[in-house]
Amino acid sequence: AQKITQTQPGMFVQEKEAVTLDCTYDTSDPSYGLFWYKQPSSGEMIFLIYQGSYDQQNATEGRYSLNFQKARKSANLVISASQLGDSAMYFCAMRDRGSTLGRLYFGRGTQLTVWP
Amino acid sequence: GAVVSQHPSWVICKSGTSVKIECRSLDFQATTMFWYRQFPKQSLMLMATSNEGSKATYEQGVEKDKFLINHASLTLSTLTVTSAHPEDSSFYICSAPLSGRVTDTQYFGPGTRLTVL
Repeated sequence: AQKITQTQPGMFVQEKEAVTLDCTYDTSDPSYGLFWYKQPSSGEMIFLIYQGSYDQQNATEGRYSLNFQKARKSANLVISASQLGDSAMYFCAMRDRGSTLGRLYFGRGTQLTVWP
Repeated sequence: GAVVSQHPSWVICKSGTSVKIECRSLDFQATTMFWYRQFPKQSLMLMATSNEGSKATYEQGVEKDKFLINHASLTLSTLTVTSAHPEDSSFYICSAPLSGRVTDTQYFGPGTRLTVL
């Protein structure tokens, strides 16, 4: 079964607008971590934001925030005030205590395009 | 944050030759490193988990003799693509977690683009 599901292959947003990238996850472990990475065309994986399963508040990092809805098992990434440089592939990932040696499980990714 | 380097960043080789890719954790020790393969517009596919001082753990369907992994030290893991063929052309990327805790992220190398002619 898929541990991470990203249902949006592609998203488009106009510059300066906000955009939400969806992510749902599947685990029975009460202790887990959720991560979002950005991958521009250069290929590097850039860590954006982290949410722990026991965190009471939604994580925020600058223009990135994570809309964490534990009961729905969703961890959507919200990018506010989009910039042209935000155009990239975005991956949601998870690890739990069952993750062998700490491996991450990745979703299929969402290609975000920001237009002027 | 922690830094992981990867070398080379790109390589072109002839079919039948072997290619070695190095992954180094520059400012932390990594007992575990992960090797991924990625095709264009697709997600990262875990190939194997590299363990310092022991044999690598390969994912199902990954040929051990084709993709040799050696974790020689706490800061270096290498992936050797042996007898490379055009179908091995891909983007290879390594990563290393700071620890095995669920709270710790993984740090990724910049990746290696392999083209086999």
